[in-house]
Amino acid sequence: GESVGLHLPTLSVQEGDNSIINCAYSNSASDYFIWYKQESGKGPQFIIDIRSNMDKRQGQRVTVLLNKTVKHLSLQIAATQPGDSAVYFCAEKGKTGFQKLVFGTGTRLLVSP
Amino acid sequence: NAGVMQNPRHLVRRRGQEARLRCSPMKGHSHVYWYRQLPEEGLKFMVYLQKENIIDESGMPKERFSAEFPKEGPSILRIQQVVRGDSAAYFCASSPRQDLLQQYFGPGTRLTVT
Repeated sequence: GESVGLHLPTLSVQEGDNSIINCAYSNSASDYFIWYKQESGKGPQFIIDIRSNMDKRQGQRVTVLLNKTVKHLSLQIAATQPGDSAVYFCAEKGKTGFQKLVFGTGTRLLVSP
Repeated sequence: NAGVMQNPRHLVRRRGQEARLRCSPMKGHSHVYWYRQLPEEGLKFMVYLQKENIIDESGMPKERFSAEFPKEGPSILRIQQVVRGDSAAYFCASSPRQDLLQQYFGPGTRLTVT
């Protein structure tokens, strides 16, 4: 069945460092990937997305890399700030017409001042 | 433009009672999705609805759970005869059309079954 997993449950960094959060997915038919940020007590917030025909996409302070060969996704956050502390989820969507997202279990990012 | 709204934010029910969770999508959005999140886990898809239609309910438990999205009013996720295992955060998301991939999430309803 479909599964999306993460390598590290918790990542601790210092303010100003760059953070890298990794995600492995198993459904080779997935054609769309999203990173969400979830702060405590809130719903997931869209960060950045990437389609399967791309390898890299950049946003403001964030970059998503997609390696389809090894089915690996990563989120890079530049100059991490305390406000970046949250749980980060990767999610994927298959090529079927329905919009079901499959979420990973999440990585908690802790940023120390 | 108001975001996705969910109410109540917190709901406590005793075993055997019914829980009703409401979701008002963003203005102009006609597609609604419900997800469930257990503590320290990712979100799990439950059901996808358009106005008056259930499109995909492959993540819904076969019994006690139902969802609707009427022509007028919010989408409702109903859980009958709740059990402790139903305790979770339930999130609703909406999108304006099927091929718009980004789903906008509400703040969630945290259900506690005592």
